[in-house]
Amino acid sequence: KNQVEQSPQSLIILEGKNCTLQCNYTVSPFSNLRWYKQDTGRGPVSLTIMTFSENTKSNGRYTATLDADTKQSSLHITASQLSDSASYICVVSAASGGSYIPTFGRGTSLIVHP
Amino acid sequence: NAGVTQTPKFQVLKTGQSMTLQCAQDMNHEYMSWYRQDPGMGLRLIHYSVGAGITDQGEVPNGYNVSRSTTEDFPLRLLSAAPSQTSVYFCASSLDRVREQYFGPGTRLTVT
Repeated sequence: KNQVEQSPQSLIILEGKNCTLQCNYTVSPFSNLRWYKQDTGRGPVSLTIMTFSENTKSNGRYTATLDADTKQSSLHITASQLSDSASYICVVSAASGGSYIPTFGRGTSLIVHP
Repeated sequence: NAGVTQTPKFQVLKTGQSMTLQCAQDMNHEYMSWYRQDPGMGLRLIHYSVGAGITDQGEVPNGYNVSRSTTEDFPLRLLSAAPSQTSVYFCASSLDRVREQYFGPGTRLTVT
């Protein structure tokens, strides 16, 4: 069964600090991995999309890495801001002919304190 | 450019009632999908469409119907609501299944 596990479940950091969120997956065959940011009460917003051949992708202060061999990804947030407080969701999609069903992680809840 | 819009924002139904959740996008995206998000769980795909006239089932399709008569609209129908369908529903669209997905603001549905 395809699975996506995220850690930690929640994280509290001080404004200005860096942090790294983890994502482990067992989805096969791999198509792509995405990271989303979801503010409370809003829809998810795409941060990065990586395919098998990509091992790093940046979007401003957000940098995602992918190790397809170990089936792990991380999202690094640099110089955190109060607005980074949100849930961060890892999503892995399988390549299966014309069918496409992504597997979502449960998310990491990040709180940034002043 | 409004992006992805969903109506209503909130809805309360009684068990057995039917309703349609509306979703529209103005980005000329071919790929549209419906998800539900429940506490403590990841989003789950209900149904998706790769273009007008084409729909397919996702991970949790039971109790839901969809149609795609135009590129812009992708409504989700609950024929006979059940308390297990209490959830937050998100519609999303993208150019294709591997490009960036844009999510709507969600519909919070409660079935009593």
